[in-house]
Amino acid sequence: EVQILETGGGLVKPGGSLRLSCATSGFNFNDYFMHWVRQAPGNGLEWVAEVRNKNNNYATYYAASVKGRFTISRDDSKSSVYLQVSSLRAEDTAIYYCSRLEGDILAPFDYWGQGVMVTVSS
Amino acid sequence: DTVLTQSPALAVSPGERVTISCRASESVSTGMHWYQQKPGQQPKLLIYGASNLESGVPARFSGSGSGTDFTLTIDPVEADDTATYFCQQSWNDPNTFGAGTKLELK
Repeated sequence: EVQILETGGGLVKPGGSLRLSCATSGFNFNDYFMHWVRQAPGNGLEWVAEVRNKNNNYATYYAASVKGRFTISRDDSKSSVYLQVSSLRAEDTAIYYCSRLEGDILAPFDYWGQGVMVTVSS
Repeated sequence: DTVLTQSPALAVSPGERVTISCRASESVSTGMHWYQQKPGQQPKLLIYGASNLESGVPARFSGSGSGTDFTLTIDPVEADDTATYFCQQSWNDPNTFGAGTKLELK
């Protein structure tokens, strides 16, 4: 059974940092690209970041809104992906979801974690 | 970025047929996917590649379209289908989502 579990959220002051973790099991982690997608309260979904697999040189990509402030990484030995979020702003307040995607341009986000809340407030 | 436009809300009666539309600002070929999200839950994949039913999803759900115009159809609608439905394209970078269509049952 595919399982995805995010941890590390919380309340942080503007300008602060957090490290979000996403632990996975039940599938061959090495085959998948991993993504973070966020959802501000009452709003829609926004793609945040992607890290590809070893075969794709662990390439990383970011939304323009977070580039330079967020860093995505993965540890294949732990089947885990991470999102270091820094220089946080009020508009970064959201539920952050971790999701997997098979490396294909027509592939969807087929499994999602339950999400972790990040609140940026003074 | 590719903008996906969805109508904000729909209200239908159980047993009826409902179509939810998603229009892309540029062609996404068949790289369109549909998700259902209920309050307090993560999104759930319903349709991938514009028209392929995800395993375990009831056959009441179907998808169609290519290029810029896509449709999610639920027929017949059941009370449990009350949710917000999002489209998402993976053809153009970056991945983008529609704002969602909230489906309410009368």
